[in-house]
Amino acid sequence: QLQLQESGPGLVKPSETLSLTCSVSGGSISSNSHYWGWIRQPPGKGLEWIGTIYYSGSTYHTPSLKSRVTISVDTSKNQFSLRLSSVTAADTAVYYCATPGDTITAAVRAFHIWGQGTMVTVSS
Amino acid sequence: EIVLTQSPGTLSLSPGERATLSCRASQSVNSNYLTWYQQKPGQAPRLLIYGASSRATGIPDRFGGSGSGTDFTLTISRLEPEDFAVYYCQQYGSSFTWTFGQGTKVEIK
Repeated sequence: QLQLQESGPGLVKPSETLSLTCSVSGGSISSNSHYWGWIRQPPGKGLEWIGTIYYSGSTYHTPSLKSRVTISVDTSKNQFSLRLSSVTAADTAVYYCATPGDTITAAVRAFHIWGQGTMVTVSS
Repeated sequence: EIVLTQSPGTLSLSPGERATLSCRASQSVNSNYLTWYQQKPGQAPRLLIYGASSRATGIPDRFGGSGSGTDFTLTISRLEPEDFAVYYCQQYGSSFTWTFGQGTKVEIK
């Protein structure tokens, strides 16, 4: 059973870079039927897709964050990462990593497997 | 960029009642790429429906999805106590991007 776990600092200062890692267990991040995504949720608000990296290495980001987002994969550690630069208070949110988890869900571009989420607060 | 608008924002119903949630897209969506999630407080979202109408593994058959083009619906035939939650629709578009609706909260009346 594929499982995801986010990790990273819970507090980031304004203008600095937010860095999070999602560790994958129960399967290989190198699977060619999968993609790996980051989604966030500000307190009391809805879900916002941040970006996705495919097994091929291609990455895609939401237009509003595109210039600040970097997503990468480390196959040796079976994990993928998010870096969000120049953060402000508006970036305060619970950050989730997610993946389809199976070929059917991947084919319809949904997310079936989610991490528990990690709260990141941007404050000085 | 496709915008998904969910309505109503909040639905107040009693257990046993039928819930009908709407997700309207600003442009036509490939129904293969229309997904519904359920989220309870303090939890990650849970996949309910994919491909507009297919239930994910383990999802009870009281949950049903329908629609095409720009109008999609999630129906809960008879609300159980554990169904009171927030529901989100999500689409995947031609620019390799994902979009979520703003959510509908189903609360106990």
